[in-house]
Amino acid sequence: KQEVTQIPAALSVPEGENLVLNCSFTDSAIYNLQWFRQDPGKGLTSLLLIQSSQREQTSGRLNASLDKSSGRSTLYIAASQPGDSATYLCAVEYGNKLVFGAGTILRVKS
Amino acid sequence: NAGVTQTPKFQVLKTGQSMTLQCAQDMNHNSMYWYRQDPGMGLRLIYYSASEGTTDKGEVPNGYNVSRLNKREFSLRLESAAPSQTSVYFCASKAGVHEQYFGPGTRLTVT
Repeated sequence: KQEVTQIPAALSVPEGENLVLNCSFTDSAIYNLQWFRQDPGKGLTSLLLIQSSQREQTSGRLNASLDKSSGRSTLYIAASQPGDSATYLCAVEYGNKLVFGAGTILRVKS
Repeated sequence: NAGVTQTPKFQVLKTGQSMTLQCAQDMNHNSMYWYRQDPGMGLRLIYYSASEGTTDKGEVPNGYNVSRLNKREFSLRLESAAPSQTSVYFCASKAGVHEQYFGPGTRLTVT
């Protein structure tokens, strides 16, 4: 069964810290991997998409890496801000389907 | 360009009632999806449509039906709602190998 796990489930950090969110997947035959942000009561906003042939993608203070052989991805957030507080979801695409992790709830304290 | 839109935003049903959740996208995407999100479980795929005229079951299809009315619209129907279907429902669309775009969600409560 294709499963996606995110660690930690929750994280609280002071403003300005650099942090890493982890995502692991059981089936390495992926098409791509996508990181999303979800604010309370809202929909999902796509942050980064990494194709299976790529190793990393960057957007502003965000950097996502992909290691297919070990079944892992990390989302690195530099210089965190209170506005980064949200739930971060990792999703792996197999064929035409996304399999989601349960998410990491991030709180950045000012 | 509205992206992905969903109606209604909120709905309360009694057990056994039926309803249809509507989804539309204006990005000319071929693929469309319905997910449900429950606390602590992430999003789970209910049904998807890879192109107009085709639909396929996802991970949790029982109790639901879908219709891909045209390229823009993909509806989800609950024929006889059950309390276990209380959830937040998201519609999404995608073009080719690119990212999925999500709607704002429908919050459904079945009493």
